[in-house]
Amino acid sequence: AQSVTQLGSHVSVSEGALVLLRCNYSSSVPPYLFWYVQYPNQGLQLLLKYTTGATLVKGINGFEAEFKKSETSFHLTKPSAHMSDAAEYFCAVSAKYNQGGKLIFGQGTELSVKP
Amino acid sequence: EAGVTQFPSHSVIEKGQTVTLRCDPISGHDNLYWYRRVMGKEIKFLLHFVKESKQDESGMPNNRFLAERTGGTYSTLKVQPAELEDSGVYFCASSQDRRGDLAKNIQYFGAGTRLSVL
Repeated sequence: AQSVTQLGSHVSVSEGALVLLRCNYSSSVPPYLFWYVQYPNQGLQLLLKYTTGATLVKGINGFEAEFKKSETSFHLTKPSAHMSDAAEYFCAVSAKYNQGGKLIFGQGTELSVKP
Repeated sequence: EAGVTQFPSHSVIEKGQTVTLRCDPISGHDNLYWYRRVMGKEIKFLLHFVKESKQDESGMPNNRFLAERTGGTYSTLKVQPAELEDSGVYFCASSQDRRGDLAKNIQYFGAGTRLSVL
């Protein structure tokens, strides 16, 4: 069984400040991990993913995330927030082997960026 | 290249009525997924098609929901009769053939259909 917990349904940062969105997962099999972003009135867009190899993965728009197996975490960070980063962010997990690739999502974190 | 498109973008119906949601995946994508987000909750998997076959329908809530993918192209999700708890946003996603490198199969999402059952 797999599950995802995102800590904080709402996060507010000032423009230029560090963005840190937390994600912890539970998986009985090796996981694939994802961060998706949803801007208003748009579909979910993939920010980045971890499958194998390097545990620090870089995504679009300056975001990155680090897979820490010992902590079962996959936190999303960005050094300097922009106003355009305001959106809802979803962490997701899928099984590395089989299980059809279905995604198990966290509850989402709404990011607000203050000027 | 066109992305995943969903119709309608918003549907408001009364309890007991029938609603059909449609999803057009990216051309050539064999895998099609339906997900649902009820207000305030996480996005939950409903079912997975590989071409026209249902691979996994473990997330379908009950037999009021019927999904089809005739010919392996677009898919429809029918809710009949609709209940209040069916309200939410229904997302469709598609990905390429899963044979080969699983790590390369990314799910591309549509903008969703917001269903309101009154």
